[in-house]
Amino acid sequence: AQSVAQPEDQVNVAEGNPLTVKCTYSVSGNPYLFWYVQYPNRGLQFLLKYITGDNLVKGSYGFEAEFNKSQTSFHLKKPSALVSDSALYFCAVREPNSGNTPLVFGKGTRLSVIA
Amino acid sequence: DVKVTQSSRYLVKRTGEKVFLECVQDMDHENMFWYRQDPGLGLRLIYFSYDVKMKEKGDIPEGYSVSREKKERFSLILESASTNQTSMYLCASSPQGRGVVEQFFGPGTRLTVL
Repeated sequence: AQSVAQPEDQVNVAEGNPLTVKCTYSVSGNPYLFWYVQYPNRGLQFLLKYITGDNLVKGSYGFEAEFNKSQTSFHLKKPSALVSDSALYFCAVREPNSGNTPLVFGKGTRLSVIA
Repeated sequence: DVKVTQSSRYLVKRTGEKVFLECVQDMDHENMFWYRQDPGLGLRLIYFSYDVKMKEKGDIPEGYSVSREKKERFSLILESASTNQTSMYLCASSPQGRGVVEQFFGPGTRLTVL
């Protein structure tokens, strides 16, 4: 069965510095990978996804993620963090060729950007 | 834009009550999902549905049931609410047969069972 791990419960970064939120996955074959963000008292908002092709995926709000097959990772990145990026971030995976089966989510990483 | 709405943002119920959480989507999506979100546990899948009157158990279906009588509406039912069902409940939907697409989430219902 597929799974994702987000090894950090909390990430703190200074405003203007680059940020990375880590995600590793476990699936058989090439995965479909997703990142979502959740602001306080809100539902999840889609940021970006990797299906195939270019390993660097660009998404909303200046975020990007890099797919690394050898390390089974899909880390979320942003070159310059904003205070407004402070939120809860979730990585999710779906097995390939599985239609639109439910996503499997990680436990989330809370990002705090300090002014 | 896809819109997924949930009937209540906040709900307080008593132990033993029957609770209905409603979810409606307006984009004609075939797939609908119910998750619960708890700190340190992330999102866990309760039930999902690929079509009207169809339902599939997720990872934690115990204590819950669902109903999908119309394509746009997916209801989560707590037959007899218990305090360990205090949680944030998130509904999501996605289309079928349009490639690999993301799920679209509603704003969530924060349920407290006293």
